[in-house]
Parts: sequence; C-alpha cells; structure tokens
Amino acid sequence: AQTVTQSQPEMSVQEAETVTLSCTYDTSESNYYLFWYKQPPSRQMILVIRQEAYKQQNATENRFSVNFQKAAKSFSLKISDSQLGDTAMYFCAFIRTFYGGATNKLIFGTGTLLAVQP
Amino acid sequence: DGGITQSPKYLFRKEGQNVTLSCEQNLNHDAMYWYRQDPGQGLRLIYYSQIVNDFQKGDIAEGYSVSREKKESFPLTVTSAQKNPTAFYLCASRGDSTDTQYFGPGTRLTVL
Repeated sequence: AQTVTQSQPEMSVQEAETVTLSCTYDTSESNYYLFWYKQPPSRQMILVIRQEAYKQQNATENRFSVNFQKAAKSFSLKISDSQLGDTAMYFCAFIRTFYGGATNKLIFGTGTLLAVQP
Repeated sequence: DGGITQSPKYLFRKEGQNVTLSCEQNLNHDAMYWYRQDPGQGLRLIYYSQIVNDFQKGDIAEGYSVSREKKESFPLTVTSAQKNPTAFYLCASRGDSTDTQYFGPGTRLTVL
C-alpha cells in the first residue's frame, strides 16, 4: 500500500523569504505522479505543481519548485519569494499511473500549515 | 468558465435525514471523485466514477451513496446511516489524458 508522510505539521516564513516543505512517500510502483496541492482558508483545493516519476528534471511553476529524489522517495516543495497569499495548508499527494480499469486513487499526506508573516 | 461547481457551500442537516450534495463539471472529464476532509486530516476517498453509469466504493463508502447518470454530474447522498457526517466534502474530476485531479470549492455539512 502506498503512503504519504508530511512530517512538518506547521511552518512559518517571513514574507519574501524561501521555505521548503517536506514530503516522503512509500510505494513499490515505478510509474506514478506526485502533486502538491494548496488549500487556503477558502478551503478550495488548488493544484500547485505536478511531477511525473519518469522525469528526472524537477518541475517548476513560477515561484514553486520541487526537489524530487526518486531513490529516496522524497518530494519537497520550495516556495521562493514567499507572499502573504501563500498562507495555506499544503498537501503532498501520490497517484499511480492510470491503467484502464485500475483503481486510480489519489493518496494524501496530512498536510503542512504554512503561515507567511509580514 | 470551465470548472467544477459544488452546491450548496454550507448545508445543515438534522439527525436522521438524508441529504444530497451536488457536483457538476463542464470540463468534459470522464472520472469524478468524492472526498471527505475532517479537521487536521488529509482527504479520504468516499466514491469514484470512471465513466457514466459506473461507480466504485472508496475507502469510507459506508453511509453514502452516489449516482452517475450524466457525465457532468456526480451527486453524493449522505444517508442517515452515516454515523458522523459532519465534515467538509470535496468533489474532483480527472480528464483522460492526465492523472491530475481538479477540485471543486467544497461543501461544509453540519449535522445538528
């Protein structure tokens, strides 16, 4: 069974600083995707970034980037130039590659609450 | 606008009543999902549907029911058999060409 672990329940960062959120996962699958979702106070779940396991290059989306270490099963999120609007709960999630008819379940970690301080 | 809508945003229910949460998407996605979120926890899968007229139980399906009569719609009924229904419910959909799930804004259900 796949599991996703986020070991930092809460973190704080000053505006304009850089912060890294940790995520580790456990799976025997070789083909899968990893995601970071953001859930602000509105509680809408918003996709931040996605990484395909077969790609060695780390994904980047503007101020958000990941450090994907497949052998170590680690998938951390780096937020550069933190902004007040980045304050949210951040969830790491795993899904194995979809095969027709197979269960395609998104597995979430318990989240890291990030507070950006002015 | 393309996206996923959920209604209502807040819902109150008396014990013993069934209640139905709406989820609609205009993204032309085949797969749709229902998740439950409790305070301090991640999301848990209730039901999912990969195609019209077909759906499967997730990890916590007891006390819930769904239907998938149209591609665009995947309503969730919380029945009186659900012991602790107060929670935040999120609907998601996924297109064929990607494993990425996109979420609606959620419904907060409170049982009085």
